[in-house]
Amino acid sequence: KQEVTQIPAALSVPEGENLVLNCSFTDSAIYNLQWFRQDPGKGLTSLLLIQSSQREQTSGRLNASLDKSSGRSTLYIAASQPGDSATYLCAAGWETSGSRLTFGEGTQLTVNP
Amino acid sequence: NAGVMQNPRHLVRRRGQEARLRCSPMKGHSHVYWYRQLPEEGLKFMVYLQKENIIDESGMPKERFSAEFPKEGPSILRIQQVVRGDSAAYFCASSNTGVITSGANVLTFGAGSRLTVL
Repeated sequence: KQEVTQIPAALSVPEGENLVLNCSFTDSAIYNLQWFRQDPGKGLTSLLLIQSSQREQTSGRLNASLDKSSGRSTLYIAASQPGDSATYLCAAGWETSGSRLTFGEGTQLTVNP
Repeated sequence: NAGVMQNPRHLVRRRGQEARLRCSPMKGHSHVYWYRQLPEEGLKFMVYLQKENIIDESGMPKERFSAEFPKEGPSILRIQQVVRGDSAAYFCASSNTGVITSGANVLTFGAGSRLTVL
């Protein structure tokens, strides 16, 4: 069964700290992995997409890595800011599952000023 | 480009009533996906549609739920005879292809429709 797990469920850090969010998936034959941000009462904003042939993607202060052999992805946030407070979701796509994504339950991040 | 538009944003229904949720994909996108987020849970895939066709409905409950994406107009997720367990946020996403192959065609999500069943 293809599943995605995110740990921790919640994280609280002081402003300025670098942090890592973790995502693991059960089937290493992944097609792509995507990180999203969800603000309360809002939709999802796509942050980074990593194809199976890639190891990492970077956008500004965000860096996402993908290790298929260990079934893990990490989202690294540098110099965190209060505006980064949100729920971060990772979602995996497998070729055998067509176009649908399987989401983790998210990590709720709070960055304290 | 207004992005993916969902309406209503909030919908309240009594048990037994019908709920209709609408989704207009991004301009140029012909692929629509519906996901459901139950309270305190992650998003779960429901259905994937292209214009006039249901491609994958493996995540749809067997009864009371249906979806369509007509040639003209928005995609509609319909829930008949709603029950309290249907209370959730329903998200629509669109893309310009059926397979996410590059950063150019990632899924774009709407803001969601939040259904509350009394």
